[in-house]
Amino acid sequence: AQSVSQHNHHVILSEAASLELGCNYSYGGTVNLFWYVQYPGQHLQLLLKYFSGDPLVKGIKGFEAEFIKSKFSFNLRKPSVQWSDTAEYFCAVNSPNSGYALNFGKGTSLLVTP
Amino acid sequence: DSGVTQTPKHLITATGQRVTLRCSPRSGDLSVYWYQQSLDQGLQFLIQYYNGEERAKGNILERFSAQQFPDLHSELNLSSLELGDSALYFCASSGEYYGYTFGSGTRLTVV
Repeated sequence: AQSVSQHNHHVILSEAASLELGCNYSYGGTVNLFWYVQYPGQHLQLLLKYFSGDPLVKGIKGFEAEFIKSKFSFNLRKPSVQWSDTAEYFCAVNSPNSGYALNFGKGTSLLVTP
Repeated sequence: DSGVTQTPKHLITATGQRVTLRCSPRSGDLSVYWYQQSLDQGLQFLIQYYNGEERAKGNILERFSAQQFPDLHSELNLSSLELGDSALYFCASSGEYYGYTFGSGTRLTVV
């Protein structure tokens, strides 16, 4: 079955620490990969996406993600987090087989302390 | 403002009732997706419409139905509501397979 797994459910970091959130997917065939962020009380916003080409993708707010096809992974990274990065982060996958509907992971709650 | 409008923002209703959630997609987007977000299930895809036609179905209960109208707005109908239906319901629209924009959601509380 198609699935998306996020390994860390809750992460607490101090400001300026580096961040890496894991995401693995179980899909056959062509996939598109996404990371979304949800700030408290707000809607989901796209951080970055990967369709093809350079497996290292740069997104907004200093985030980047690396697609490693052999590991079915798409981990999100940021070298130095800020208090304003406190939010819920969701990895998502879609494919032509599913009508391009997004399949989300359970999310990772990130708390950045001053 | 994301360009996707959902109404109402909050809804409180009793068990057994029926409600309708509305979504207006971003201008020019033909696809509308509905998602349910709850603490235990996370973000679950419910259903997709493309230019008025149902295109994909996810974990949507038989008590739930949706439609997309000629002006491309969509409605999600939830009937015979149960306590477990309490959740945040998001709508997203896209013009192509990668340009999703999410609305702010409707928070449904069933009491």
